[in-house]
Amino acid sequence: EPEVTQTPSHQVTQMGQEVILRCVPISNHLYFYWYRQILGQKVEFLVSFYNNEISEKSEIFDDQFSVERPDGSNFTLKIRSTKLEDSAMYFCASSERQDSYGYTFGSGTRLTVV
Amino acid sequence: AQKITQTQPGMFVQEKEAVTLDCTYDTSDPSYGLFWYKQPSSGEMIFLIYQGSYDQQNATEGRYSLNFQKARKSANLVISASQLGDSAMYFCAMREVYNTDKLIFGTGTRLQVFP
Repeated sequence: EPEVTQTPSHQVTQMGQEVILRCVPISNHLYFYWYRQILGQKVEFLVSFYNNEISEKSEIFDDQFSVERPDGSNFTLKIRSTKLEDSAMYFCASSERQDSYGYTFGSGTRLTVV
Repeated sequence: AQKITQTQPGMFVQEKEAVTLDCTYDTSDPSYGLFWYKQPSSGEMIFLIYQGSYDQQNATEGRYSLNFQKARKSANLVISASQLGDSAMYFCAMREVYNTDKLIFGTGTRLQVFP
């Protein structure tokens, strides 16, 4: 079964450092998303991406965050200067169509900022 | 205002028994989808079941069924014949079809299945 792949599974970074989280969505999917889950809390939407541009973003997704689809297969989330409160599980997801229920999540990257 | 409400922070069920996890939602969008995800301790989000707002019948997927009561705006997950491996966090989520494609999650219910 096709899956969304995220790397790395766990990343530790020092406060103030830049970090890039990587995702490979399902190949025929056109819509891409990032979500985050602070430990013990609910999953929160960050950003959606379609046709090489951001289609929607949340208040969390400030200037410190950016997304990119650099090569037609990878989808990345960059955090420019990490803060302690960025420590969370970050999930990538993709879907075939905007109204599709086939919304597939990756297994997540646990980011720890120290 | 909370769009998805899960009022049960934790639930216990004995193996082989059925359990219902509650979810209520709030939307003015006539077209929406409701999802349930399972998150085991390993952290991944596993899709369980989906219900569209226009679906006439309650969704079922194996041991999972969704008790959809549109007038009450509730979408409870029923797990039949619980197994020890069902112990996990369960999240209800909603996607409003018009104007947005994001999922809005509830706070989750931790289910523990005991022998």
